[in-house]
Amino acid sequence: AQSVTQLGSHVSVSEGALVLLRCNYSSSVPPYLFWYVQYPNQGLQLLLKYTSAATLVKGINGFEAEFKKSETSFHLTKPSAHMSDAAEYFCAVYTMVGGSYIPTFGRGTSLIVHP
Amino acid sequence: DAGITQSPRHKVTETGTPVTLRCHQTENHRYMYWYRQDPGHGLRLIHYSYGVKDTDKGEVSDGYSVSRSKTEDFLLTLESATSSQTSVYFCAISEPRDASSGNTIYFGEGSWLTVV
Repeated sequence: AQSVTQLGSHVSVSEGALVLLRCNYSSSVPPYLFWYVQYPNQGLQLLLKYTSAATLVKGINGFEAEFKKSETSFHLTKPSAHMSDAAEYFCAVYTMVGGSYIPTFGRGTSLIVHP
Repeated sequence: DAGITQSPRHKVTETGTPVTLRCHQTENHRYMYWYRQDPGHGLRLIHYSYGVKDTDKGEVSDGYSVSRSKTEDFLLTLESATSSQTSVYFCAISEPRDASSGNTIYFGEGSWLTVV
């Protein structure tokens, strides 16, 4: 079964600094990967998704992620952090379970942005 | 935004009582999921459904049951609530006709449940 690992439960950056949130997946086949963002007391919102069309994926709010098969990684980046980016971020992958494709999520990374 | 409504949004209940959470969608998506979110654990799958009356267990299904009698409704029942089931519950939907389409998973706004 596929799974995802998010390195770092908390990441702290200064406003204007580079944001890097790490996600590694375990799989021997090309996966279908997602990044979601969750603002306080809200549901999860799609940031971007990789579906093999291009290895560099651009999402909303200036975020992008690069699929690197050799490193089994799908790290999320943003060149310049804004205060409004403070939120919880989740990496996810579809996992085959009993003939069904089930979304499996990482444990999440809380992004803290300092003024 | 995808049409997903969860009810109730907030509930406080006593240990040992049954509780039912409802998820209603207007997107006609085949797959529906119930997750619970707890600090340090991310989102964990409780049960999912791949069609009317077709359901299966997820990784944390003990103490929970589900039903799906209509495409648009997916009910989660805590048969006898315990304090360990205090959590935020999220309903999600998707239409992964096949994995190659990489179809997006859409989430409801969540149901906050406190068991005292």
